[in-house]
Amino acid sequence: EIVMTQSPATLSVSPGERATLSCRASESVSNNLAWYQQKPGQTPRLLVYDASTRATGIPARFSGSGSGTEFTLTISSLQSEDLAVYYCQQYKNSWTFGQGTKVEIK
Amino acid sequence: EVQLVESGGGLVQPGGSLRLSCAASGFTFQNYAMSWVRQAPGKGLEWVSTMSGNRLYTNYADSVEGRFAISRDTSRNTLYLQMNSLRAEDTALYYCTKGATMGPLYYFDYWGQGTVVTVSS
Repeated sequence: EIVMTQSPATLSVSPGERATLSCRASESVSNNLAWYQQKPGQTPRLLVYDASTRATGIPARFSGSGSGTEFTLTISSLQSEDLAVYYCQQYKNSWTFGQGTKVEIK
Repeated sequence: EVQLVESGGGLVQPGGSLRLSCAASGFTFQNYAMSWVRQAPGKGLEWVSTMSGNRLYTNYADSVEGRFAISRDTSRNTLYLQMNSLRAEDTALYYCTKGATMGPLYYFDYWGQGTVVTVSS
């Protein structure tokens, strides 16, 4: 099983500042990596797939990068509505999620 | 508009069984793989099971292998999850999700609202 490890567990960022979330795979997943956003009390929403392609309707302030085992989700200018838990997921070999990074508004 | 509506959750005793359903609409159901993902209270997301669009391929997480069975009825556009020998650790919100592509590698582009399963005596 491919293990996905996200860091940090919690990230506190001021509005307008940049947020950088990391995700590491235990073995290469090529670019078969997705990011999801789950706001409090809501269903997860797809943000990014194929490591760097934004899903339909996702604001440009969200960007994904990386390949192989190291991946990053960047929120360029944090908005209050970005308060959420963010999960990475690999789909190279079956499917596994990271444990999530909680983004708090400072 | 894609819609996924889960049902069938509830309270069940340890060792009991439950069948979840997911009614799908807004897309050609038989063309896409469908999956179940669960989330225990206050915890993260855990993939549970997937069935391909043509029903030839199924896959299960180790934690449910041999106890859960996924199936789908194309005539009803419905996905199912038969859960047997339920344990307390199966308590979770169960989401139905749609595979994003018709290829062999896919993420989940649509999620239902989920149905709650509670395993307790």
